[in-house]
Amino acid sequence: ETGVTQTPRHLVMGMTNKKSLKCEQHLGHNAMYWYKQSAKKPLELMFVYSLEERVENNSVPSRFSPECPNSSHLFLHLHTLQPEDSALYLCASSQGSTGVETQYFGPGTRLLVL
Amino acid sequence: GQNIDQPTEMTATEGAIVQINCTYQTSGFNGLFWYQQHAGEAPTFLSYNVLDGLEEKGRFSSFLSRSKGYSYLLLKELQMKDSASYLCAVKDSNYQLIWGAGTKLIIKP
Repeated sequence: ETGVTQTPRHLVMGMTNKKSLKCEQHLGHNAMYWYKQSAKKPLELMFVYSLEERVENNSVPSRFSPECPNSSHLFLHLHTLQPEDSALYLCASSQGSTGVETQYFGPGTRLLVL
Repeated sequence: GQNIDQPTEMTATEGAIVQINCTYQTSGFNGLFWYQQHAGEAPTFLSYNVLDGLEEKGRFSSFLSRSKGYSYLLLKELQMKDSASYLCAVKDSNYQLIWGAGTKLIIKP
C-alpha cells in the first residue's frame, strides 16, 4: 500500500537539532493530518489541513511547526524537542475533513529525542 | 470530557473467535470506526458503523448500539496474522475523531 508515504521512517535527534518529517499522499485527497502516537495512549491529533489551509491546531507546542505547500504534501518541522516528544508520528489523509470520511494513514516516523 | 474505553490487551487461540469491546462517551455521534495496526505499521481501516446493528465483512464483523454507547469488533477463525492492535474511534458532533488507546490482540497457536 503506497497511498500515503512518510519519510524518514526512523529518526534520532538531539534536543538542539532541527529536522523535518515529510508526508505525501497519492490518493487525491483534500485533507491531511498529523498525529502523535505514544505507547498505550490514544492517537493525539496535532494538526489538520484542508485544501492547504490549517483548520485545526490542538494546543501543540510551538517546537512543532507544520507546513502544507499543496494538497499532496505535508511537513512537520521539529526544533528544540524534548525527550517526551519521542513517539510515532503518523500522517493521514482523507477526502474532506468535515464529514465522515475515512482517514488513510502512512506508516509513521519513529522519533527518538535524546 | 470525551472518552473511548477498550481493553488494553487480549489473548486468543488460532482458529477461535474473539470479541473486542469499545465503549464511548462523546459529545454527539457521527459514526464509529475500527482500525487495525500491526506493530510498526500504519493503522488500516476495517469498518465504519453509523446505524445500530451488525456489519459483516468476511471474518470480521462490527456491531454498534448507539443507545448504549457500545461497539464490538468480532474476529472469527483467528489467524496468526490477526495479531495486531485494534483501534476504536468515534466522530463527535464536530466530526472530530476521538480515539481509544487500542487493544493489543495476541494470537497463540
